[in-house]
Amino acid sequence: NAGVMQNPRHLVRRRGQEARLRCSPMKGHSHVYWYRQLPEEGLKFMVYLQKENIIDESGMPKERFSAEFPKEGPSILRIQQVVRGDSAAYFCASSPRPTYTGELFFGEGSRLTVL
Amino acid sequence: DQQVKQNSPSLSVQEGRISILNCDYTNSMFDYFLWYKKYPAEGPTFLISISSIKDKNEDGRFTVFLNKSAKHLSLHIVPSQPGDSAVYFCAASRGNQGGKLIFGQGTELSVKP
Repeated sequence: NAGVMQNPRHLVRRRGQEARLRCSPMKGHSHVYWYRQLPEEGLKFMVYLQKENIIDESGMPKERFSAEFPKEGPSILRIQQVVRGDSAAYFCASSPRPTYTGELFFGEGSRLTVL
Repeated sequence: DQQVKQNSPSLSVQEGRISILNCDYTNSMFDYFLWYKKYPAEGPTFLISISSIKDKNEDGRFTVFLNKSAKHLSLHIVPSQPGDSAVYFCAASRGNQGGKLIFGQGTELSVKP
């Protein structure tokens, strides 16, 4: 499968636990973007990473959220001490180079439910 | 501060007819406008885009119109097909931050056979 791969597809956590979401970009893509979709809303930009670098994290909540894209392996979005408001669909997208037109390739998303 | 707005949460159209989805924006600095299509339990898929220097872009059954003076764009689907039933998101970007898309809330299109 040459598409953007996200796992897990579904994740259930209790309040206070940690959630780790993984994203493998399309082959040949070195730019990764994370978006969050809250219920009944559009997608909201969280963070843009290139291999080993955070380029733009202006959409990330200041606390509990972090992202990385190591030299080897997938990009990871980490949410510490989850709260019910973190329940959402988290989408990863990738591009082969910095995009000026906004055309991104999205994964199928990871749906986080916080009990 | 909703910079991109889709005011119609849903739209129902008969197969073969035209579907018109609308989108308004507030930021005149946007360089590109895009439409993404999303099926349930899947990620958004890029559909069509338009540069801010153009007023129309066409790709098969899909045409996007941009009215900069009104800060309004629309997506026309002609003819509509049942397989077009999905949620359509309007999005905007600034050229130097192309991957940082600002999405509207989405419009759910239902095409009836």
